[in-house]
Amino acid sequence: DTGVSQDPRHKITKRGQNVTFRCDPISEHNRLYWYRQTLGQGPEFLTYFQNEAQLEKSRLLSDRFSAERPKGSFSTLEIQRTEQGDSAMYLCASTGVTGELFFGEGSRLTVL
Amino acid sequence: QKEVEQNSGPLSVPEGAIASLNCTYSDRGSQSFFWYRQYSGKSPELIMSIYSNGDKEDGRFTAQLNKASQYVSLLIRDSQPSDSATYLCAVGVYGGSQGNLIFGKGTKLSVKP
Repeated sequence: DTGVSQDPRHKITKRGQNVTFRCDPISEHNRLYWYRQTLGQGPEFLTYFQNEAQLEKSRLLSDRFSAERPKGSFSTLEIQRTEQGDSAMYLCASTGVTGELFFGEGSRLTVL
Repeated sequence: QKEVEQNSGPLSVPEGAIASLNCTYSDRGSQSFFWYRQYSGKSPELIMSIYSNGDKEDGRFTAQLNKASQYVSLLIRDSQPSDSATYLCAVGVYGGSQGNLIFGKGTKLSVKP
């Protein structure tokens, strides 16, 4: 396993459509994080899983956002009824016992 | 509101010089500190982590932590054009393996040949 994998890398959608992103973490990592990054800003925490349990959610994660990690392996992040303000890079990261985050290449969302 | 502050730059240094990047944080309970490098259009990659006061060296990189002053820095010796990137400071409030990291906005470094 070479690292955290995200799919798709780029997604262009129209406002109001639903989108889903997938993240496959490093296999021995049991903690998985979703972050969002907009231009000129650092990554902002969205949510965090330990195995299959979603342990923390940021207030940035509105009702239109939902994340899952069935069976504690890959994770999905779904955005319903997308808005232009959702345009950003969605970063997935995983960590083992050290707490050091290893990021995937990100999924860039553009909402027209 | 927990905050991490960085000078956005750009910081420009000549090749071979020492680049000094600084970061302050607001939460005195912070326990873990990280520097990430991010090339344009790419995801952040971990350069250094530091957990206790003092210096930590790894190759050309040295991280410095002063918890009393709530200050973290990164020194890059013998800077190379390939070091040109945005450097993100990140702070963990909880112990190393829990919770989430709070990132600064990053400092853009430009190393001129």
